[in-house]
Order: sequence, then structure tokens, then C-alpha cells
Amino acid sequence: ETGVTQSPTHLIKTRGQQVTLRCSSQSGHNTVSWYQQALGQGPQFIFQYYREEENGRGNFPPRFSGLQFPNYSSELNVNALELDDSALYLCASSLSLNEQFFGPGTRLTVL
Amino acid sequence: KQEVTQIPAALSVPEGENLVLNCSFTDSAIYNLQWFRQDPGKGLTSLLLIQSSQREQTSGRLNASLDKSSGRSTLYIAASQPGDSATYLCARDTGNQFYFGTGTSLTVIP
Repeated sequence: ETGVTQSPTHLIKTRGQQVTLRCSSQSGHNTVSWYQQALGQGPQFIFQYYREEENGRGNFPPRFSGLQFPNYSSELNVNALELDDSALYLCASSLSLNEQFFGPGTRLTVL
Repeated sequence: KQEVTQIPAALSVPEGENLVLNCSFTDSAIYNLQWFRQDPGKGLTSLLLIQSSQREQTSGRLNASLDKSSGRSTLYIAASQPGDSATYLCARDTGNQFYFGTGTSLTVIP
């Protein structure tokens, strides 16, 4: 059984650019959630996808968008990057609304 | 505001000590309460999940309890070990929203 994987591991972008982060969910899981974790803080919920539909969204602007594919993998897209977007982006998968399992994260640095 | 608070923010204990980490939340609407550990720069590792209909869960040296009426959960770690050193996070799941605390940084001294 493969766990949650994320790519890339690290990423450096400049202000105003766009970025796409990817997540492969654990085998058998149909729900993916994305989080932003700033240094020294707890993760902040961005949104959740359940069976390719957005199921919930946190307090993030529309320039944060996502997709879930038929194989339940997912993408997080961030447009018009700002310096404050620098953070660890975490993806978690679960079967419906049960226990979440996290990937190792993508470290995004915006210069 | 859907706050989740964890106390203490940091804790340092000698090896072998039993300890309790606290998590409180301002809204009693809850579907699941989940505890995680996070090692520096890493993702989160699930420790225990308590569903809203449950009052506690146990796994090895870990025991987590949930009191929805008072908006509190506690994580009890028995016989702490240096390998337990990490940040411990609790998360409140309302079914379509997730709220994390800022964590308790635990150091277990050999």
C-alpha cells in the first residue's frame, strides 16, 4: 500500500508567478485535503475534495484553486504568488470523512 | 472564530515521565478529533482519531479523550521516551472544515 506522496519536494518562485503542487492519495482513499503551514504555526485548511467535487473551503482567496482527478489525485494551484505564500503545503487523504493521512509536504519559497 | 488552543506551547520532561497535552476548542460542533505528531520540517503522522460518538481512543502508550460538552481533548503519553520528542497537534474536523491548534512542542530528555 502506497502512502500519500507530494511533488515537488521544494520549489522556489518569484512574486506574481503561478505554481501547481501535486498530491497522490493513499490507495483506496477518495478524499483529499490541502493545508498551508507557515513556520511555527499549525496547518491552515485550504480546501477539501471528495470524489472530484470541492467539499469545503477555508479562509483563502480565490487565487488558491484545486482539482481532484478521477484517480483521486489532486492539484493545488496558486496564482499571483505573494511573499506570504511561502510555507509548507501539506496534502492529506482519507476514505470519506475518516482518519486523514498526510504526505511529506512541498516547501514553497516565494522571493 | 473557530479557534483550537493547545496548552502548553512547549514542554520539556525527563525520560520515563507520564504527561498530558491539552487541546480546547470554542465550538462544540465536531465530527472527528484527531491527534498528530510532526517532526521538524516533516509532514504529520496520525496518532489517534476520536469520532464524535466516542469518548477516548488508545494506541500503545497513547490515550486520547474527548469531552465535547466542555470543548476539550487530552492526549496522555505514558512512560515518555526521547523518540517521543516532536510537536503534537490536535485537529477538529466538522465534516467539511478542519481546524488545527498551533501545537505543543515536546522534548523528552534522556
